[in-house]
Amino acid sequence: GQQLNQSPQSMFIQEGEDVSMNCTSSSIFNTWLWYKQDPGEGPVLLIALYKAGELTSNGRLTAQFGITRKDSFLNISASIPSDVGIYFCAGHQGFQKLVFGTGTRLLVSP
Amino acid sequence: EAGVTQSPTHLIKTRGQQATLRCSPISGHTSVYWYQQALGLGLQFLLWYDEGEERNRGNFPPRFSGRQFPNYSSELNVNALELEDSALYLCASSIGQGGSQETQYFGPGTRLLVL
Repeated sequence: GQQLNQSPQSMFIQEGEDVSMNCTSSSIFNTWLWYKQDPGEGPVLLIALYKAGELTSNGRLTAQFGITRKDSFLNISASIPSDVGIYFCAGHQGFQKLVFGTGTRLLVSP
Repeated sequence: EAGVTQSPTHLIKTRGQQATLRCSPISGHTSVYWYQQALGLGLQFLLWYDEGEERNRGNFPPRFSGRQFPNYSSELNVNALELEDSALYLCASSIGQGGSQETQYFGPGTRLLVL
């Protein structure tokens, strides 16, 4: 199945550092969503973006919907240990069908 | 408000058997989605049900099937299990108002192991 290209694959940072990850596609998407998945759990929605160029924040998280509609980034500021997990981007392709990125595994050292 | 629930949490089967996984959506949601997440991989779209009907299907063989009940809960059935069917199966729900890009909320998943 199709997946979005997400980078980096993994990151190991120190508590307090800022983090940036991005997602790209060769196709245009009409929405971009960012989810976080903890081990053994389902993904939890962090931020949803619906318009090209849109910049949205949720606490320490900021995400943007690229102008070309083919990319998105997620920034996490002042990381804390509970930010550990796998972050997935996702976009709607066709009616209600979500395509997911390959994931970015984040590890935070206290 | 209760989230999406799934049962069982874990399921162990042998090759050739059938597996049935269950999902209850968030109250008020009518659309249910199923995804497969193999170990170390991203989520792959399996099926979408709305108002009791299958609306869309991912690139999976016909032995992956399901249904949605009048109370909007859903079952995923996997027949003739193969080793590579071992994965976390995630269910999501959305409000089902007819929009093309509704936000989907996920359950905790059922981990299926095929021996």
